[in-house]
Amino acid sequence: DTEVTQTPKHLVMGMTNKKSLKCEQHMGHRAMYWYKQKAKKPPELMFVYSYEKLSINESVPSRFSPECPNSSLLNLHLHALQPEDSALYLCASSQWGFDTEAFFGQGTRLTVV
Amino acid sequence: EDQVTQSPEALRLQEGESSSLNCSYTVSGLRGLFWYRQDPGKGPEFLFTLYSAGEEKEKERLKATLTKKESFLHITAPKPEDSATYLCAVQLTGGSYIPTFGRGTSLIVHP
Repeated sequence: DTEVTQTPKHLVMGMTNKKSLKCEQHMGHRAMYWYKQKAKKPPELMFVYSYEKLSINESVPSRFSPECPNSSLLNLHLHALQPEDSALYLCASSQWGFDTEAFFGQGTRLTVV
Repeated sequence: EDQVTQSPEALRLQEGESSSLNCSYTVSGLRGLFWYRQDPGKGPEFLFTLYSAGEEKEKERLKATLTKKESFLHITAPKPEDSATYLCAVQLTGGSYIPTFGRGTSLIVHP
């Protein structure tokens, strides 16, 4: 199994809503990532979890809250988002860090209305 | 100024027409350079990692090469299914090792 599974595939939420994005991998990878990608732009790193601990937060606003319940799961909790937060949110995993091949999920297309 | 520059921004080829995509970087101290393929609305798919000048890697119709300041992704006899955006990412030796992505090259291969 070389897949990173993200749910939901699409999400529309209002600015007062609370929602969560989910990511799952069963490759035994110990590093997991959240990226944000706007149209025609490269992915931008948001958070890195290494061995289930948050190791990097790229100055992401607190309305985005990551969580790593166990080594296979990664969540991104969303609250009070702005329309400019609309983007493709990508989860990725790698064996132990940036030196190793990253596997990306298919992404969640988020629209904030 | 971008640390990683990909060119061209967009490329249209006829099926079978070989070409190359370029990824150049201005930073020193390269730890690794990654190539990814991304289809519209999907996550990037890993293609290659290159570590040192002179290194080459191949996969089907794709061949990636690395010099001291740039990498090329050569596409030989492309097919329409090779149409995608190709991203490169550069990882430095110092700091947190976070790869910096280029803006990508959008490739369209016409039948």
